[in-house]
Amino acid sequence: RKEVEQDPGPFNVPEGATVAFNCTYSNSASQSFFWYRQDCRKEPKLLMSVYSSGNEDGRFTAQLNRASQYISLLIRDSKLSDSATYLCVVKGAYGNKLVFGAGTILRVKS
Amino acid sequence: DVKVTQSSRYLVKRTGEKVFLECVQDMDHENMFWYRQDPGLGLRLIYFSYDVKMKEKGDIPEGYSVSREKKERFSLILESASTNQTSMYLCASSGPSRTSGGAWDTQYFGPGTRLTVL
Repeated sequence: RKEVEQDPGPFNVPEGATVAFNCTYSNSASQSFFWYRQDCRKEPKLLMSVYSSGNEDGRFTAQLNRASQYISLLIRDSKLSDSATYLCVVKGAYGNKLVFGAGTILRVKS
Repeated sequence: DVKVTQSSRYLVKRTGEKVFLECVQDMDHENMFWYRQDPGLGLRLIYFSYDVKMKEKGDIPEGYSVSREKKERFSLILESASTNQTSMYLCASSGPSRTSGGAWDTQYFGPGTRLTVL
């Protein structure tokens, strides 16, 4: 079983739609959680950290459910520029390593 | 602004050649990482380093070695390139820990090197 699992998609949505991605992780000792965004042929960049209380950054909301070991990302009012691959990332309890999911592809169409 | 640079964007090598991929960061970061990214598999950690002359194996170190002689530079070496090492190679760096889950965890990536081994 992969340490971090995501639905690969693609999710094809119209502009203005709300879309949600989930991600599950297997290591219950994981301490930190993140969403990274990767545009086509570009490097991954941090989108947002995910906190236990949930957090919001503009149109983006991230949630963490430790009991069920999943993380979610909600994007409201999708824009064409949101088209990208979204990577779920988990940091373990020890050490500096991040574990990346394979990514979920989002395509926003006009 | 953090900048991570990689020596080449595209590289074509022949089977059996020795390949050097270089990564340089300008943020005085302690930690540096080498990943490869393949479709459907995501990013997989090859090697990482917490300090100069320090290295640790990641999840897929076989067929690779690394060198960190200076804090800002982390090199990935393919001793004898094989076709299954055709991939996108990404270097990343991150800063020292201040608080748990703080800025430390953010990894900044270089633009990647697409390596093709024929």
